[in-house]
Amino acid sequence: DQQVKQNSPSLSVQEGRISILNCDYTNSMFDYFLWYKKYPAEGPTFLISISSIKDKNEDGRFTVFLNKSAKHLSLHIVPSQPGDSAVYFCASSASNRDDKIIFGKGTRLHILP
Amino acid sequence: EAQVTQNPRYLITVTGKKLTVTCSQNMNHEYMSWYRQDPGLGLRQIYYSMNVEVTDKGDVPEGYKVSRKEKRNFPLILESPSPNQTSLYFCASSLSSGEFYNEQFFGPGTRLTVL
Repeated sequence: DQQVKQNSPSLSVQEGRISILNCDYTNSMFDYFLWYKKYPAEGPTFLISISSIKDKNEDGRFTVFLNKSAKHLSLHIVPSQPGDSAVYFCASSASNRDDKIIFGKGTRLHILP
Repeated sequence: EAQVTQNPRYLITVTGKKLTVTCSQNMNHEYMSWYRQDPGLGLRQIYYSMNVEVTDKGDVPEGYKVSRKEKRNFPLILESPSPNQTSLYFCASSLSSGEFYNEQFFGPGTRLTVL
């Protein structure tokens, strides 16, 4: 059973436009959510996170939105730049659980010139 | 430079030949973890460790062992590798205080092929 779902394997966005990556989760115990970015031949790098006590967290061009009732989070990148082309992983954890971190399958973002 | 290092970066081996992938971090992190990445399956956690001498199973621990004798090192051991363990492996570390253990630093990856 997939607890963290990224239903779009890939996404193409024009440079300068907004990129929106989506993630759904099934476990209501999850209370911390993160996005990681991965380039080919490199390890993932932490991008941005959000605690369940918030519904929005912003860091420069990156904003994560959390809708707890829908068990849905999204990552907005605006404006999109060529260097944003990468695979993005959504991840979730539950602080009162067993310290496991569950990752989604990833979404490959292509920024088009 | 703060980093997580893994060795080897690439390894081709044969079924049943024991191997160890080393992982070391220089950030004094308590939390360390191993993941495997497979096409269409994303990142799956194999084992993790909250601190020295404390290890726990992740989602896909079968066929793997780990040890945490020192804070900086977290080796991944495959006692009898099989072809279904062909994968890209990542080691990661983070602080374990509060919610910060989620914000992990990843190593560059080890591509393992088991023939």
